[in-house]
Amino acid sequence: KQEVTQIPAALSVPEGENLVLNCSFTDSAIYNLQWFRQDPGKGLTSLLLIQSSQREQTSGRLNASLDKSSGRSTLYIAASQPGDSATYLCAVLWVYNNNDMRFGAGTRLTVKP
Amino acid sequence: GAGVSQTPSNKVTEKGKYVELRCDPISGHTALYWYRQSLGQGPEFLIYFQGTGAADDSGLPNDRFFAVRPEGSVSTLKIQRTERGDSAVYLCASSLGLAGSKTDTQYFGPGTRLTVL
Repeated sequence: KQEVTQIPAALSVPEGENLVLNCSFTDSAIYNLQWFRQDPGKGLTSLLLIQSSQREQTSGRLNASLDKSSGRSTLYIAASQPGDSATYLCAVLWVYNNNDMRFGAGTRLTVKP
Repeated sequence: GAGVSQTPSNKVTEKGKYVELRCDPISGHTALYWYRQSLGQGPEFLIYFQGTGAADDSGLPNDRFFAVRPEGSVSTLKIQRTERGDSAVYLCASSLGLAGSKTDTQYFGPGTRLTVL
């Protein structure tokens, strides 16, 4: 069964801290993995997409890594800011699927000023 | 704006009623997706359109749910005989839909919050 799990469900940190969000998935036959951000009452914004052949992707203060063999991905946020407060979702596209990504339940991040 | 729009933003209905949710994708995007997001959960795939046709409707939970995209642009998600368990945020996304590509970035709308009383 294809499942995506995110830990922790919620995280609160003081401004300026570096933090790591975790995503694990069953079945290593993935096509790609994507991290999204969701703000309350709004849709999802794609942050980083990692192809199955890649190990990591970086965008500004964000770095996402992928370890297919262990079924894990991490999203690293450097020097967190209050504006980073949001829910972060991990989504996996397996090779068997068409275009239907499977999402984790998300990690709700609060960065306190 | 040039993003994906969804209407209405909120819909409250009574159990047993019929509802329609509308999605306007980004102009030129041939692929369109519907997802359902329950409270505290990630989005759950419902259906994927490539052009006018439903390329994958495996996520529709039962035959009360139906979606159309008659002209390959705007899509309507239709729910018959609504149940309380249908209450969720319904998200729409669109992408360029390049032939054979599974790597298109999906752009999401703000969603429609459906509440079934």
